[in-house]
Amino acid sequence: DAEITQSPRHKITETGRQVTLACHQTWNHNNMFWYRQDLGHGLRLIHYSYGVHDTNKGEVSDGYSVSRSNTEDLPLTLESAASSQTSVYFCASSEYRGSTEAFFGQGTRLTVV
Amino acid sequence: ELKVEQNPLFLSMQEGKNYTIYCNYSTTSDRLYWYRQDPGKSLESLFVLLSNGAVKQEGRLMASLDTKARLSTLHITAAVHDLSATYFCAVDINDMRFGAGTRLTVKP
Repeated sequence: DAEITQSPRHKITETGRQVTLACHQTWNHNNMFWYRQDLGHGLRLIHYSYGVHDTNKGEVSDGYSVSRSNTEDLPLTLESAASSQTSVYFCASSEYRGSTEAFFGQGTRLTVV
Repeated sequence: ELKVEQNPLFLSMQEGKNYTIYCNYSTTSDRLYWYRQDPGKSLESLFVLLSNGAVKQEGRLMASLDTKARLSTLHITAAVHDLSATYFCAVDINDMRFGAGTRLTVKP
């Protein structure tokens, strides 16, 4: 079955370190998204991509970067982790812009100490 | 900038009762989605609403979209405990933005 997987599921890192969260989908979806979820804020969009080599900033992109070198993967990099980036991160993918729902990965809980 | 507001943010209901969750958004869109999230879990798609007047129903949940009012509703009929979860609406303009979520608790 096609799916979307995130790794790691849990990560503890130190302030200032670079961290990369992986997201891999097997649906061949063009669209991929990264969100962070914090209490009281719902899900906030970090970055998104509508195809290979396409990346766009979301509403909370500062301190994060993504790259899309193939259809299946959209890794999220925290350039220099900060305590404010402690959160649960969700990756999602969708087939078409604006007409199909997104499918979400299981999430990565990141703690920055 | 697009703003998506849900209310209420917390909802405690008795089993068997009806209630409605509201989702207002600030910019014209005819693409709205509802998702469910169980504690500690990922998000699951419930409904996709793609036009003014769209109505979708699944079991005890019914969602509707009024693009002129920039309003979507998620109506719960005869609530049961299994519906306890957090419900999110999301609006798609250039990207998909979520409301803060409504945490629903259904009590016996």
